[in-house]
Amino acid sequence: SQQGEEDPQALSIQEGENATMNCSYKTSINNLQWYRQNSGRGLVHLILIRSNEREKHSGRLRVTLDTSKKSSSLLITASRAADTASYFCATGRQGGKLIFGQGTELSVKP
Amino acid sequence: DAGVIQSPRHEVTEMGQEVTLRCKPISGHNSLFWYRQTMMRGLELLIYFNNNVPIDDSGMPEDRFSAKMPNASFSTLKIQPSEPRDSAVYFCASSTEGENTEAFFGQGTRLTVV
Repeated sequence: SQQGEEDPQALSIQEGENATMNCSYKTSINNLQWYRQNSGRGLVHLILIRSNEREKHSGRLRVTLDTSKKSSSLLITASRAADTASYFCATGRQGGKLIFGQGTELSVKP
Repeated sequence: DAGVIQSPRHEVTEMGQEVTLRCKPISGHNSLFWYRQTMMRGLELLIYFNNNVPIDDSGMPEDRFSAKMPNASFSTLKIQPSEPRDSAVYFCASSTEGENTEAFFGQGTRLTVV
């Protein structure tokens, strides 16, 4: 399979709680990216972390990267109902190739 | 900029027919990707181009699939002949050149082959 793996496959939380999604991959990477997809829409880029970085923040998003374990996590703090969507990690590889994981379906209940 | 533009948004066709999906990348972007999304297989990279040249087409499922990029502002993905198992949402994405750049996605084409 060309994809990495994400867990959990689905996550349901209450508004205000934090949501954590994990991503594992198998090959060497230049960067790891997280995207969001609302139902029936295209993917939207959230954040990119380079292979030599360990942590990055953007608003309510916090991403970590552990290249020794080939894993990354996305934390969304103080979640809102509008955060309900599917979240995908993608590994940026040599030559600009971008491979996506299977995604985590997040449901935030008001 | 209008973003990545794909057409048509929806396509319903009969098995055996030729299907052509179209994509206009963001102006100035050098890389273009075609992905297929299904419930069973997730988001699969079919092919990607850098500066109009196909770099990796290892994800193209069979010879029935072909992709072209005749210039920097247009790409096509063709399926001939189409089969029901080709039913999926096909996404086009583009990015600027470089190793650490984000991809911008179009709204996708939902293809149904009956």
